[in-house]
Amino acid sequence: EDQVTQSPEALRLQEGESSSLNCSYTVSGLRGLFWYRQDPGKGPEFLFTLYSAGEEKEKERLKATLTKKESFLHITAPKPEDSATYLCAVQQASGSRLTFGEGTQLTVNP
Amino acid sequence: NAGVMQNPRHLVRRRGQEARLRCSPMKGHSHVYWYRQLPEEGLKFMVYLQKENIIDESGMPKERFSAEFPKEGPSILRIQQVVRGDSAAYFCASSRGGTNQPQHFGDGTRLSIL
Repeated sequence: EDQVTQSPEALRLQEGESSSLNCSYTVSGLRGLFWYRQDPGKGPEFLFTLYSAGEEKEKERLKATLTKKESFLHITAPKPEDSATYLCAVQQASGSRLTFGEGTQLTVNP
Repeated sequence: NAGVMQNPRHLVRRRGQEARLRCSPMKGHSHVYWYRQLPEEGLKFMVYLQKENIIDESGMPKERFSAEFPKEGPSILRIQQVVRGDSAAYFCASSRGGTNQPQHFGDGTRLSIL
């Protein structure tokens, strides 16, 4: 069974304080690893897809990386508007369903 | 989350009633997925549909739950004889289909059972 574990559960940063969120996974044949951002009362908003170990993707202050066992979401010089829950999900090569982790709740204080 | 439309946003039902949740996918998307988020838990896959076909319903409870995506109109998730444990946020996602296509989510329906 596919499994996704995210750490830490919650993270508080000061504005400008860079950090990383971790997503460890086990999956039978990885098609893709997905990062989403979810704000309170909203649905997940797609950020990145990573397909193979060594791949990296960037968007503004966010950078996602992938190894064979885990993915990291690096946040550089975060701002208060980056506060959200960040979700990681994996998709098997043999199917379309996403298996989600429970998320990391990020708070960035001004 | 513009594009995937879910309604209603909030739905209150009494135990034993039926709940119908609707999802209109993004323009150009023909694949629809339903996920459930129970309080204090992560998103869990329920069902994957294409027009007029259920592709994967392995995450759907065997009883009381059904889903459809007709040729015309929105996808419907139907819960019969609701119980308190059905209280959750139900999210719909859509994609263009094919390989390597991200799923885009709506803002969900919050279902409360009295």
